Amino acid sequence: EAGVAQSPRYKIIEKRQSVAFWCNPISGHATLYWYQQILGQGPKLLIQFQNNGVVDDSQLPKDRFSAERLKGVDSTLKIQPAKLEDSAVYLCASSLGYTQYFGPGTRLTVL
Amino acid sequence: AQKVTQAQTEISVVEKEDVTLDCVYETRDTTYYLFWYKQPPSGELVFLIRRNSFDEQNEISGRYSWNFQKSTSSFNFTITASQVVDSAVYFCALSEATGGFKTIFGAGTRLFVKA
Repeated sequence: EAGVAQSPRYKIIEKRQSVAFWCNPISGHATLYWYQQILGQGPKLLIQFQNNGVVDDSQLPKDRFSAERLKGVDSTLKIQPAKLEDSAVYLCASSLGYTQYFGPGTRLTVL
Repeated sequence: AQKVTQAQTEISVVEKEDVTLDCVYETRDTTYYLFWYKQPPSGELVFLIRRNSFDEQNEISGRYSWNFQKSTSSFNFTITASQVVDSAVYFCALSEATGGFKTIFGAGTRLFVKA
């Protein structure tokens, strides 16, 4: 069974630029999550989707971050405009029950 | 409010030593899940174990074992006869029924196993 796929794996941008990350969950997993992991910290939930509806986006900085999950499968997370403090690894996870399975992450560096 | 504390920031051991990673959690819920994940240098979080709040049985899987004690709100993880491949960051996490099982992660413990 294929795992969670994410792209790109690495991205370097300058502040105020925009960037988008893509995630393809494990087939059949209804729930999809985006996390932000700053160096030296644990992952922090940004947004959770159930199929194509948002369950929790309370920690998503909505003035600059947006996410969508069209058709309840793939998802895209966008940052516009990026700030220096957005430098982090962005992890996507999916689940069918209570256990989340993670992708390899996208390492974002904002200069 | 839910909280997960991993007080050990870094642990260094020599191969074949046993090592225990501590996890203390806070929750007001009676229904919750606890998890351990491993994050090797490649960056991907690998699921190790899930425990629900109604099951306090300890679990052993090969060289890994977990001790869940509700009385002390702890869910500790022991690696027996550690190996270099065990070097990674280990995260403990908590999901509460209240709030739709939103998952909170601890800050992680970085384990170095030296040959």
